[in-house]
Amino acid sequence: GQQVMQIPQYQHVQEGEDFTTYCNSSTTLSNIQWYKQRPGGHPVFLIQLVKSGEVKKQKRLTFQFGEAKKNSSLHITATQTTDVGTYFCAGDSGGYQKVTFGTGTKLQVIP
Amino acid sequence: SAVISQKPSRDICQRGTSLTIQCQVDSQVTMMFWYRQQPGQSLTLIATANQGSEATYESGFVIDKFPISRPNLTFSTLTVSNMSPEDSSIYLCSVEEFLPGTDENEKLFFGSGTQLSVL
Repeated sequence: GQQVMQIPQYQHVQEGEDFTTYCNSSTTLSNIQWYKQRPGGHPVFLIQLVKSGEVKKQKRLTFQFGEAKKNSSLHITATQTTDVGTYFCAGDSGGYQKVTFGTGTKLQVIP
Repeated sequence: SAVISQKPSRDICQRGTSLTIQCQVDSQVTMMFWYRQQPGQSLTLIATANQGSEATYESGFVIDKFPISRPNLTFSTLTVSNMSPEDSSIYLCSVEEFLPGTDENEKLFFGSGTQLSVL
């Protein structure tokens, strides 16, 4: 079945440093979604990318969908303590395939 | 945005017992999803609950262990039956929101989750 892997598994950064998490799917995706889960919380939708090579920005967050639609990345510029949490990508292969969540990257920001 | 109420928020149960988790949505939705999130892990889909039909279970999950009800378009329950310590997880219900005309047409909204500990 479809597998979605994320690297790194954990990342500790000093506040103000940048952070990037990478998402790789074993199959071509129709779209990719990103979610953030704060400690003790539930996943919250951040964004969805649909087009090959698409780049979207939300303030300090930049999301990219690969040309082959099998990988994606999330980059956070100048991290803040409010960015702490686990970031999940979730890939949809289309049709009746359900969304498959990536393995997640846990971000810790040191003040 | 859909608002999902899930309860209980947490429970501690004895092995061999069953727990029913409830999920209420503030709008009518076609499909509701039940996920399991084991400690420190990602989300795994247990089943999809459609109103008026049996739930569709993912590989590794069976109806006898995780019976699901979907009596109407705003409510669903998941029962974790004959629990063992391996069932200790967070269980999340989720709904899909479609936004026609946008490319955010499959965003998932999650309930606050049920943290289950089995002793």
